[in-house]
Amino acid sequence: SQKIEQNSEALNIQEGKTATLTCNYTNYSPAYLQWYRQDPGRGPVFLLLIRENEKEKRKERLKVTFDTTLKQSLFHITASQPADSATYLCALVGDDKIIFGKGTRLHILP
Amino acid sequence: DVKVTQSSRYLVKRTGEKVFLECVQDMDHENMFWYRQDPGLGLRLIYFSYDVKMKEKGDIPEGYSVSREKKERFSLILESASTNQTSMYLCASSALNRVTDTQYFGPGTRLTVL
Repeated sequence: SQKIEQNSEALNIQEGKTATLTCNYTNYSPAYLQWYRQDPGRGPVFLLLIRENEKEKRKERLKVTFDTTLKQSLFHITASQPADSATYLCALVGDDKIIFGKGTRLHILP
Repeated sequence: DVKVTQSSRYLVKRTGEKVFLECVQDMDHENMFWYRQDPGLGLRLIYFSYDVKMKEKGDIPEGYSVSREKKERFSLILESASTNQTSMYLCASSALNRVTDTQYFGPGTRLTVL
């Protein structure tokens, strides 16, 4: 069955460093991969989308890579700030459906 | 900006009650979704609709039904609430293709069933 895993439940990163979150999947060939941010008690908010034929996408301090051979996406936040603390969800889109990962709680320590 | 609103942020109901959760979007999106989110389980799709009066089951439809009489409104109904339906319920909408477009989420309704 299709499976999507995000590297860890929680990640602590020192302010100013680069935070790297991982999304791995099996038994699936997504056409797109999306990343969302979710703050406590709120709904997820879309951040970035990357297509299967794109290797990398950037938006301000965010960078996403997509390796269809490794079946993995990496999500980077450079020059991290305490305001970046949140849960980040990856979502695979393809075959007319979307599957969300369970998320990684990121804490940026001042 | 796309706005998705949900009728309540917090709701407390008793076992056996009929519960209605309402969702409204203002961007003329074709697709609307209902998810529940539980610790350790992530987001799970209950039902979705890609047009008025159309609905399709998601991964966990048991115990739920939905209604979409107007394009902007998608309702989730718990016919007889049970304690295992205590959860955060999230509504989302998207445009264009069936499910491949970006999803816009509402703020969520935290439902407690006693």
